[in-house]
Amino acid sequence: QQQVKQSPQSLIVQKGGISIINCAYENTAFDYFPWYQQFPGKGPALLIAIRPDVSEKKEGRFTISFNKSAKQFSLHIMDSQPGDSATYFCAADLFSGGYNKLIFGAGTRLAVHP
Amino acid sequence: EPEVTQTPSHQVTQMGQEVILRCVPISNHLYFYWYRQILGQKVEFLVSFYNNEISEKSEIFDDQFSVERPDGSNFTLKIRSTKLEDSAMYFCASSDGDSHNEQFFGPGTRLTVL
Repeated sequence: QQQVKQSPQSLIVQKGGISIINCAYENTAFDYFPWYQQFPGKGPALLIAIRPDVSEKKEGRFTISFNKSAKQFSLHIMDSQPGDSATYFCAADLFSGGYNKLIFGAGTRLAVHP
Repeated sequence: EPEVTQTPSHQVTQMGQEVILRCVPISNHLYFYWYRQILGQKVEFLVSFYNNEISEKSEIFDDQFSVERPDGSNFTLKIRSTKLEDSAMYFCASSDGDSHNEQFFGPGTRLTVL
């Protein structure tokens, strides 16, 4: 019940295209859903995050869509660029007593071809 | 911009040896975390630490693991007797503890157990 399922495992998109990565969760106690971007040899870096009381959040080319009833959320990258090529992890946050415990999805390796 | 730092970047050790991975969290942060990422797999929560004690630990964090904040700046992860399966990237993260505040990740330490 603590799992977060992420798909696809890998994604190839042409420059200028839309990249879509999907995640699903079971535990309704999760109350914060961040997306992390990871470049090779680096630690994960927060990209964008959403709370379950909001259905969509947009920051620049990045949009999270959230469907609370379906327990699903997705990341959309508009106008994808080669510099977006990285591994993307969705996560769910279990806020418990002052600290957060991030449960990560398996990751999606995105390659944006010029 | 403040950042989490980790040393060493790569540690090679023999099976059965003790290793200590070091982290310097962001200075005003109060909550500290260790995560592990086996090559090609997802990031997994190990332990959270607040007010000089463990807040929560995962089933991965068995008796071979310990964490410590030996002074006002360092946060360490000790693996008492390393196993081959401990080979992974270990990430330290910190947050300032407000509800769902971002966890900032360090660049990681790659641990190779031979």
